[in-house]
Amino acid sequence: DGGITQSPKYLFRKEGQNVTLSCEQNLNHDAMYWYRQDPGQGLRLIYYSQIVNDFQKGDIAEGYSVSREKKESFPLTVTSAQKNPTAFYLCASSIPFTGTGELFFGEGSRLTVL
Amino acid sequence: AQKITQTQPGMFVQEKEAVTLDCTYDTSDPSYGLFWYKQPSSGEMIFLIYQGSYDQQNATEGRYSLNFQKARKSANLVISASQLGDSAMYFCAMLGGTSYGKLTFGQGTILTVHP
Repeated sequence: DGGITQSPKYLFRKEGQNVTLSCEQNLNHDAMYWYRQDPGQGLRLIYYSQIVNDFQKGDIAEGYSVSREKKESFPLTVTSAQKNPTAFYLCASSIPFTGTGELFFGEGSRLTVL
Repeated sequence: AQKITQTQPGMFVQEKEAVTLDCTYDTSDPSYGLFWYKQPSSGEMIFLIYQGSYDQQNATEGRYSLNFQKARKSANLVISASQLGDSAMYFCAMLGGTSYGKLTFGQGTILTVHP
């Protein structure tokens, strides 16, 4: 079945550590996105990539980094520079500029900083 | 800049009744799309319905319909015959013609369906 796989589902980190969240898709979508969700809040865009080897900052990119070396993969690193990293992270993909532009989401990764 | 506003933090509905979740938007793009997503407590985002700005008719998908009033910039979601499984967070989102694939989300509305 085609879809988006995020791992790990739950992650705990000590302050000062970098962590990497994995996102893999087999939908053959060109565009991929990372969103952050805080309790009771909407989704805010961290980074997005419309094509391999290219990515752009979203609204809240500070303290995060990404790479897009393969079409299928878009890992997100939460660095120690991110002041408040505890949140729910959602990865998504789409085929921009065609169809409706609907986003397809993974099941999310919940990061807790101890 | 685009903005989505959902003014109802929480809504309650009796099972089998209809409920309307409000969404207003603001954009300068002449062409745009509006989406509704459902987020159960498990966290995944489930796409429900889409409305294009040039669509003449309101979108419908099973028990979901979108009450699109372009002049008022509103895109309310109507759920008919509510079920207990409809209890979830609901997000309205917009994709503008110049957004390059990036959706803007509202704050969400938590819907609780009572038996």
